[in-house]
Amino acid sequence: NAGVTQTPKFQVLKTGQSMTLQCAQDMNHNSMYWYRQDPGMGLRLIYYSASEGTTDKGEVPNGYNVSRLNKREFSLRLESAAPSQTSVYFCASGSLAGGQDEQFFGPGTRLTVL
Amino acid sequence: KNQVEQSPQSLIILEGKNCTLQCNYTVSPFSNLRWYKQDTGRGPVSLTIMTFSENTKSNGRYTATLDADTKQSSLHITASQLSDSASYICVVSLTGGGNKLTFGTGTQLKVEL
Repeated sequence: NAGVTQTPKFQVLKTGQSMTLQCAQDMNHNSMYWYRQDPGMGLRLIYYSASEGTTDKGEVPNGYNVSRLNKREFSLRLESAAPSQTSVYFCASGSLAGGQDEQFFGPGTRLTVL
Repeated sequence: KNQVEQSPQSLIILEGKNCTLQCNYTVSPFSNLRWYKQDTGRGPVSLTIMTFSENTKSNGRYTATLDADTKQSSLHITASQLSDSASYICVVSLTGGGNKLTFGTGTQLKVEL
């Protein structure tokens, strides 16, 4: 049981390049999330998917797109990377724990945009 | 704006000592409050989740308290160990917020010999 996995672990891009961050979970969770974490700031929600086939914007969606490929996989795409997107990206999946949504996080992808 | 503020920003304690981390929030309406532990280079891991009706919840040497009237929470770590060195993040969930969370910036704890 691997939990939430993310690829790649590290990535360096040049401004304007595109890339897709991959996330998969094996806990049969309905909801999945993408966050970014920047120094001195709390994690911020980029996009989330409450269930397979649905996606919604979070707090900071500009410059990103997502795809909920199936129940297990939720990818985040940067179409034209900018230096402001340099960050650590975390994927999470959610379960209902006593009526509360417990979220389990992946190990993160460290992205640098030059 | 809904906010979660934590103090202190950083803390250094000796192994075996106790410590208490603070969290104040203005998130409303409030659903639940969570504490996460984040080791360097890793994703956050949940320690406790409390609803507004719960005053305290423990997870081993970690005890979280909640005062929903004053909108304050604390995380008490007993008999600290070197492995407790991490960032501790307070997270608040909105009622009806679709499981959207508001994260604090964390308290960086270092436990030394």
